[in-house]
Amino acid sequence: DSGVTQTPKHLITATGQRVTLRCSPRSGDLSVYWYQQSLDQGLQFLIQYYNGEERAKGNILERFSAQQFPDLHSELNLSSLELGDSALYFCASSVEGHYNSPLHFGNGTRLTVT
Amino acid sequence: DAKTTQPPSMDCAEGRAANLPCNHSTISGNEYVYWYRQIHSQGPQYIIHGLKNNETNEMASLIITEDRKSSTLILPHATLRDTAVYYCIENQAGTALIFGKGTTLSVSS
Repeated sequence: DSGVTQTPKHLITATGQRVTLRCSPRSGDLSVYWYQQSLDQGLQFLIQYYNGEERAKGNILERFSAQQFPDLHSELNLSSLELGDSALYFCASSVEGHYNSPLHFGNGTRLTVT
Repeated sequence: DAKTTQPPSMDCAEGRAANLPCNHSTISGNEYVYWYRQIHSQGPQYIIHGLKNNETNEMASLIITEDRKSSTLILPHATLRDTAVYYCIENQAGTALIFGKGTTLSVSS
C-alpha cells in the first residue's frame, strides 16, 4: 500500500459530462501529481501541485483542471468529456524539496466515457 | 519526452537474476536515476533511485556506471510476481517523472 488514496476506483459516464477525481496524498507529502494513462499514449504527466499552488504543467487539456486544498487533498476535474478521455488516471505524492523524495502512486481511477 | 533508452522487452527464468539496462547519456549533474515498475494496470511502484553510487534495498540493486551514462537494475531472484513494465527515469528530486515506454520483463517458470 503506497498510502496514496484515489476515489472512485471506477467511473463510467457519457460524452459531454463532467467528473471529479479525488486524491489523498501520503501523510506528510506536500506535492501531488496527476497522470493519465491510455492504451496508446502511455503514462502522461498532467499537472503538479505543491502545498496548494500549481508547480508544473504537462500535457493537460484546457477541458481539465485541478486544485489542491488546504488539507492537501487534490481533485482533478474533467469536463466536456470525449471518448478519447477514457483512461486510467493516477495521482502521486512526494515530499517536495528533499533529495530522497520518490513519487508514490495511488492505484488510479479508471474512467470510461461512453 | 523521456530521455532514457531501454530495451522494449526481456525474459527471465524464475529464480534467476534479472538485469535490466538503461541508457541515460544526457543526464545532468543534479538528476537522479529512478526505477519504477507497473504491474498490469496498478499504479507505478517505486523501486530504487541513485545519483552516482550503487544502491541496494530490499527490492533491488542499482548499478550506475562511473560516467553516469548508464545503469542496470538487478532483481537478484526474480519471481513470477516481478513480471511488469520497468521504467528507468532521469529526474530531479521532487519534480514530475516523465515516463517512456519502459522494458516489459516476463518472468517464467
